[in-house]
Amino acid sequence: GEDVEQSLFLSVREGDSSVINCTYTDSSSTYLYWYKQEPGAGLQLLTYIFSNMDMKQDQRLTVLLNKKDKHLSLRIADTQTGDSAIYFCAEILMDSNYQLIWGAGTKLIIKP
Amino acid sequence: ETGVTQSPTHLIKTRGQQVTLRCSSQSGHNTVSWYQQALGQGPQFIFQYYREEENGRGNFPPRFSGLQFPNYSSELNVNALELDDSALYLCASSTYGTDKNIQYFGAGTRLSVL
Repeated sequence: GEDVEQSLFLSVREGDSSVINCTYTDSSSTYLYWYKQEPGAGLQLLTYIFSNMDMKQDQRLTVLLNKKDKHLSLRIADTQTGDSAIYFCAEILMDSNYQLIWGAGTKLIIKP
Repeated sequence: ETGVTQSPTHLIKTRGQQVTLRCSSQSGHNTVSWYQQALGQGPQFIFQYYREEENGRGNFPPRFSGLQFPNYSSELNVNALELDDSALYLCASSTYGTDKNIQYFGAGTRLSVL
């Protein structure tokens, strides 16, 4: 079945880079997404990558995709206290009415 | 701001009761998807509505039902509430069939079942 896995916590120092990792299972996924959720809030789309791309950069965010290993990562450069949140990766099932399958989320903790 | 609004923001119900949650989609979007997010977990897909019909369903029992209206807004109804239904309910709007199929989320409705 479909499954998306992420580690639950990541702790980094302010100013360092954060790398959040995700593995997925559906090789037919055409798009993969990263969403951010702050406490008590909904999900905010951060970025997405098309499956025929290896990398996408958007300001402080870099997404790397290894399709062979079904591995996705999100790098946040110069991590700030405002980046504290839970980060979710999600894959889209094109054969199931574009349903999104989500990981459990990685809580990013920023140390001063 | 995504333009997706959900109401109410919080709700407390007792076991066995029924609840209706509402969602207004972003202007220009024709599809609404509903998700349940239990504490400490990722969202779980409940169902999707497109052209006023259910267009896909996750692993949820029939007591979870929905509607979509001609203006593309949507309702999620849950009958015979159980304690495990306590969660954040998220609605997302999108345009069906576009290549990116980006879903934009509302802030959610926090449902507590006592």
